[in-house]
Amino acid sequence: EIVLTQSPATLSLSPGERATLSCRASQSVSSFLAWYQQRPGQVPRLLIFDATNTATGIPARFSGSGSGTDFTLTINSLEPEDFAVYYCQQRSNWPITFGQGTRLEIK
Amino acid sequence: EVQLLESGGGLVHPGGSLRLSCAASGFTFATYAMSWVRQAPGKGLEWVSGINNSGGSTYYADSVKGRFTISRDNSKNTLYLQMNSLRVEDTAVYYCAKDPFPAAVTNYFDPWGQGTLVTVSS
Repeated sequence: EIVLTQSPATLSLSPGERATLSCRASQSVSSFLAWYQQRPGQVPRLLIFDATNTATGIPARFSGSGSGTDFTLTINSLEPEDFAVYYCQQRSNWPITFGQGTRLEIK
Repeated sequence: EVQLLESGGGLVHPGGSLRLSCAASGFTFATYAMSWVRQAPGKGLEWVSGINNSGGSTYYADSVKGRFTISRDNSKNTLYLQMNSLRVEDTAVYYCAKDPFPAAVTNYFDPWGQGTLVTVSS
């Protein structure tokens, strides 16, 4: 099973700042990695797929990068609605696995 | 607008069974792979099971293999998850989720339903 390790566990930033979230895989997942956002009390929504592709309807301030084992989700100029939990997910190998999440909180 | 509406959750004793349903609308259900993903209270996400658009291929997490069965009825636009031999550790909100791309099993999930809570407790 591929283990995805997200860091940091919690990130405290202010609106307008840039957020950089990391996801590291225990073995290569090529580019088969997605990012999801889960706001409090809401269901997850897909932000990024195949490491760098932005899902439909996602604002341009969200971007993904990386390949192999190291991936980054960048959120430019944080908006109040961006404070949430973010999960990475790999589809390279069975079973599909998620990271444990990074909580982005308002500083 | 795509809508996914789960039902069938509830309280069940260890060893018991439940059948979850996910009623889909707003898209051509028979064209898309579907999945179940769960989230234990206060915890992260865990993929449970997936099925291709025709229902001919199914996939399971090791934690549920042999106990859970995923299926779909394309004539009713409905996804199912039959859960048998339930354990306390199966307690979670169960989400159904659509593959974002037609006629493929990309194993990405978008969108997600609102979820149904399954509680396994004596």
